Amino acid sequence: GENVEQHPSTLSVQEGDSAVIKCTYSDSASNYFPWYKQELGKGPQLIIDIRSNVGEKKDQRIAVTLNKTAKHFSLHITETQPEDSAVYFCAASPRDTGRRALTFGSGTRLQVQP
Amino acid sequence: NAGVMQNPRHLVRRRGQEARLRCSPMKGHSHVYWYRQLPEEGLKFMVYLQKENIIDESGMPKERFSAEFPKEGPSILRIQQVVRGDSAAYFCASSLSGSGDEQYFGPGTRLTVT
Repeated sequence: GENVEQHPSTLSVQEGDSAVIKCTYSDSASNYFPWYKQELGKGPQLIIDIRSNVGEKKDQRIAVTLNKTAKHFSLHITETQPEDSAVYFCAASPRDTGRRALTFGSGTRLQVQP
Repeated sequence: NAGVMQNPRHLVRRRGQEARLRCSPMKGHSHVYWYRQLPEEGLKFMVYLQKENIIDESGMPKERFSAEFPKEGPSILRIQQVVRGDSAAYFCASSLSGSGDEQYFGPGTRLTVT
């Protein structure tokens, strides 16, 4: 089955700096890669996703890049703000008929220092 | 526009009792997924359902756990004869359809087994 590795497990940055979180996956059949933000006591919130036919996607201060050959994808947050502090999870899925399960990484706790 | 709803938000059960968790998908969504999150870990897929059908239950423990999504009403995750190791946060997600659609998560049910 799929295995998703996520690094780093914790990340502390100063407000205004950039943050980068990296994930690798093992199943070459995976073709959908979402990122979720989870705040304490809440459910995961989808913040951005990318499909395998695209190499990069950007939404305001958030961008995701995908390298299918190397089987890794990254989340980039620019101009970080204290409200970006949360746990971030990457995930991968094959998106085939009958197979929709997301395999999650272990999470990155991001702390943005004001 | 209500999101995914789960109840109860917190559930305490003694060992040996039954736990019943409910999930109402977003309006118009017909696909439901259940995930389990242990403390300080990522989410683990359990089961994927459509109305009246279980599509993928590859992540469900073989015993004591069952799930349904009836024609009318919410999806139910049932855990019989709970043990302390069942203590976790259980999240439900829904998607509009099965093909290439994002999964949106509810706030979760935190189950504590005493």
